[in-house]
Amino acid sequence: DAGVIQSPRHEVTEMGQEVTLRCKPISGHDYLFWYRQTMMRGLELLIYFNNNVPIDDSGMPEDRFSAKMPNASFSTLKIQPSEPRDSAVYFCASRGDRPGYTFGSGTRLTVV
Amino acid sequence: GDSVTQMEGPVTLSEEAFLTINCTYTATGYPSLFWYVQYPGEGLQLLLKATKADDKGSNKGFEATYRKETTSFHLEKGSVQVSDSAVYFCALGRADKLIFGTGTRLQVFP
Repeated sequence: DAGVIQSPRHEVTEMGQEVTLRCKPISGHDYLFWYRQTMMRGLELLIYFNNNVPIDDSGMPEDRFSAKMPNASFSTLKIQPSEPRDSAVYFCASRGDRPGYTFGSGTRLTVV
Repeated sequence: GDSVTQMEGPVTLSEEAFLTINCTYTATGYPSLFWYVQYPGEGLQLLLKATKADDKGSNKGFEATYRKETTSFHLEKGSVQVSDSAVYFCALGRADKLIFGTGTRLQVFP
């Protein structure tokens, strides 16, 4: 298995632009998680899905953030409009029956 | 609520030194416990886990024992290498979610 695949690896965008981050979980994993990592706040859980259904989005910072999982093999995290304080590394992770997650390599977002 | 507390870093060691990174948790019941490692520019990788009290997780020379009486899951390695330099995260598994500590940076010098 190729693991959890995220794209792009790096994204630089101007303030106010829309940003879309993508994630392909491991086949057969029924949980998908979006995390944000910054020096100041560490790892923050933004939202997670079970069988493509959002279960807990209480970590989504504000309405500018939205996430979807249209099918079992694809999820997106969208920021519209983006702001400089959104600059961070965004990780996607998936989980199957066994405890523990498998993380993707992350998307480093820079908003200038 | 559930939480994980890790020792603050950075931890700086010479090669072949003994490593301990402390982790304690607060939780009801019997959560699973994990250590993840993050190398520069990469995502987190599962290092080891323990799913019940007194279990010992081990991998790549690292060990941690689930101690319910002290609510701890300290990470140890007998002889560190330069290649072990990374950030280490302790985590608690509760229902669907993992709750992470703040991470401890380890720097190993030759």
